Order: sequence, then C-alpha cells, then structure tokens
Amino acid sequence: DVVMTQTPLSSPVIIGQPASISCRSRQSLVHSDGNTYLNWLQQRPGQPPRLLIYRISNRVSGVPERFSGSGAGTDFTLKISRVEVEDVGVYYCMQATQFPWTFGQGTRVEIK
Amino acid sequence: QLQLVQSGGGVVQPGRSLRLSCAASGFTFRNHGMHWVRQAPGKGLEWVAVIWYDGSEKYYADSVKGRFTISRDNSKNTVDLQMNSLRVEDTAVYYCVRWGPDRAVDIWGRGTMVTVSP
Repeated sequence: DVVMTQTPLSSPVIIGQPASISCRSRQSLVHSDGNTYLNWLQQRPGQPPRLLIYRISNRVSGVPERFSGSGAGTDFTLKISRVEVEDVGVYYCMQATQFPWTFGQGTRVEIK
Repeated sequence: QLQLVQSGGGVVQPGRSLRLSCAASGFTFRNHGMHWVRQAPGKGLEWVAVIWYDGSEKYYADSVKGRFTISRDNSKNTVDLQMNSLRVEDTAVYYCVRWGPDRAVDIWGRGTMVTVSP
C-alpha cells in the first residue's frame, strides 16, 4: 500500500496569515497514464469530507482561490494564502493512483 | 442537484451483519464508479471498497476483504455495502463517494454510523 505522510499534524494559524501542509508518499504517484492522482480534501467539524483539489493542483469549482496545490512525484503541498475562520478543519491528502487508495493522517488547521 | 443519500447503519453485535445503501441523484449514475470510505470515531479516513461503473470490477481494503461486498443496481441508481462478520474495529461512519473525473472523489454522502458492540 502507498503510505501517505502529512506534516504538520496540527497547524495553529492567525487569521489572514498563510498556512501550508505537506504530503509525502513513499512511492511515486505518477500513474501509467502519465497523470498524478493526488487529491486534497477538507473536513469541517461535523461535516463529511469535501474535495478541494484533484490531480495535484486543479481546484474544484466553488473552492476559493486562496487554496492552491502543487508538487510532483512524491512531494505535494496544499497552501492557504490567507486563512479565514471557515477554513478551520482537518485536511487530508489522498492518492488515487493505485488501489488501495490511501489517505494521509490529516492535518488539523485551527485559529491561533 | 448532485446528491448521495445514505441509509442503513446502526448498532450490531460482533459477528452479525449489516447492509448499507446509497441512492444517487442528479447525475448519470451508470457512468461512475462508486466507493465506500469509512472514518472511525476521532480518526482519519480509510478507503474501504470500490465498484466500477458497470459493476465489472470490485476492489476491497485488506481489512474488509472476504467480509464486505460492494454491489450496485444501475436501474435503481443505488450502491450497497453488505457487511458480514462485523468486528468492533469496523465501528465507523461510512461514506458513499462518487468516483469523479480524473479519479477525484468529488461527491460524498453525509455518512452513516455503524457501531459494532457486544
């Protein structure tokens, strides 16, 4: 199985300041079709997860532009340019390159 | 409106069975693979199973292989998860999830709680 490791596990942030979450996989997430299937999800308290970004850097319709994804191969990053109150929650990276699809442990973003 | 409405779940004793169901609406169900993902209380997300858009292929997490069965009925726009020989460690919220374009898990049900307790 592809192990996904996120850092940090907790990120206290001041409103209006940036936040960054790292996600690393133990093996390359490049699929045989040439694409890299790395998703980022947000889970607000008491809510189901919500897809933010797919295939490393593609923002889902309706997701604010302050969210951006980057990376390649085994190293990926989710950045929030200016954290807002509504961004509080747990963020997960997830690889969909090979089965079983696997998730990172989650990073809790909270307001400092 | 794209929607996945889940039903089933509840409290069951170890070794017993339970069936979860998920009804899709607002999109062409037969064009999409479907997943089940679970989340134990206070824990992270764990992928459980997938079924191809036409039901031709199914894959399972090792933790549920041989005990859980995923199935779908494209005439009814539903996907089910039959859970047998349940264990305490199967206690979790179970989410029905659409396999979207570019392997995106783009639509999530609201989840249904399964509690396995003696």
